[in-house]
Amino acid sequence: DTEVTQTPKHLVMGMTNKKSLKCEQHMGHRAMYWYKQKAKKPPELMFVYSYEKLSINESVPSRFSPECPNSSLLNLHLHALQPEDSALYLCASSRPRLAGGQQFFGPGTRLTVL
Amino acid sequence: AQSVTQLGSHVSVSEGALVLLRCNYSSSVPPYLFWYVQYPNQGLQLLLKYTSAATLVKGINGFEAEFKKSETSFHLTKPSAHMSDAAEYFCAVISKYNNNDMRFGAGTRLTVKP
Repeated sequence: DTEVTQTPKHLVMGMTNKKSLKCEQHMGHRAMYWYKQKAKKPPELMFVYSYEKLSINESVPSRFSPECPNSSLLNLHLHALQPEDSALYLCASSRPRLAGGQQFFGPGTRLTVL
Repeated sequence: AQSVTQLGSHVSVSEGALVLLRCNYSSSVPPYLFWYVQYPNQGLQLLLKYTSAATLVKGINGFEAEFKKSETSFHLTKPSAHMSDAAEYFCAVISKYNNNDMRFGAGTRLTVKP
């Protein structure tokens, strides 16, 4: 199984809502990532978990709250988002100690904030 | 931090023509380099990667890239473009000192004309 799955595929939420994005992989990877991608732009790194511990937080606003409950699962909790947070949110995973190891990407969640 | 620069935000070729997408990295220590492809409304798929082995790297779908240290370049080529190659292409870099921190170039949109 070389797949990263993300749910939901699409999400529309109001600025006062609380929602969560979910990412799952069963490749035994111990590094997992959240990226944000605006239209016609490259992915921007948000968070990195390595061995279920947060290792990189790219100064992301606190309205985005990541969680890694186990080695296969990564969540992104959303609260009080702004319309400018509308984007494609990509999850990825990799083997953290493999030098130059590639990241495997999920299909993304298309988020629209009204 | 490592970075890559992709020259040309948009490249247009005719079907059957050579594809050349340019990527230059900024580092005194050769990093790990990757090319990813993204089709509309999808995640990123790895085309190929350079991890200090052979300087000419062959990837999927007939793509290849050559690592040139003297030019700090990692350009992507394909001898004959196919209509299905139309997509967004991202060059990406990982530092040898931080295996989890991947940074992407701005991307190049490839259009293939019949």
